Amino acid sequence: SQQGEEDPQALSIQEGENATMNCSYKTSINNLQWYRQNSGRGLVHLILIRSNEREKHSGRLRVTLDTSKKSSSLLITASRAADTASYFCATALISSGSARQLTFGSGTQLTVLP
Amino acid sequence: EAGVTQFPSHSVIEKGQTVTLRCDPISGHDNLYWYRRVMGKEIKFLLHFVKESKQDESGMPNNRFLAERTGGTYSTLKVQPAELEDSGVYFCASSQDRFPSSSANVLTFGAGSRLTVL
Repeated sequence: SQQGEEDPQALSIQEGENATMNCSYKTSINNLQWYRQNSGRGLVHLILIRSNEREKHSGRLRVTLDTSKKSSSLLITASRAADTASYFCATALISSGSARQLTFGSGTQLTVLP
Repeated sequence: EAGVTQFPSHSVIEKGQTVTLRCDPISGHDNLYWYRRVMGKEIKFLLHFVKESKQDESGMPNNRFLAERTGGTYSTLKVQPAELEDSGVYFCASSQDRFPSSSANVLTFGAGSRLTVL
């Protein structure tokens, strides 16, 4: 089963509207990150929220984290056509071992219609 | 600063053939990761290098996959022999964080190499 699962799998909105994507995870984490992937491009880091933080803002992005529910949400306000992309959450696990990799979900495909 | 570059961007091969994917991380980044996304599913971790050493290869699906990072610079991922289920996009990422630093590990990704096995 996945560590990070995004919801919904696909979201289509009109330009100017807000888009909210959710992510759930299963184990305790050190931090949670959101990445964006435009078609044919690599993943681009958007924002990071640490386990002791509850909310973070960056421009039109707002991320919340609820460690008790093991969930996070990404809100994009005043969406633009250029925001069309796949959005992934990624978790960095608390580990006593040597693991440093991020664990990704299957992503939310956001389409912003002009 | 040059980003993470991957080659080829797309490879189409027949089942049973061999393919080698290459990744050039950002200069100075000790950490190099390989990930794979198959058919729109989740992005799965394959392995992690710290310099030339394999730190974690728990995500490698089987012994048909071989990754190397000679000299701690670029890395190659060879699939031999390729099977149909190997089709997908292979992403490489690098980071500068020094392990076991407690700082957050933010990865810089390449554009990916799309592999199609027919």
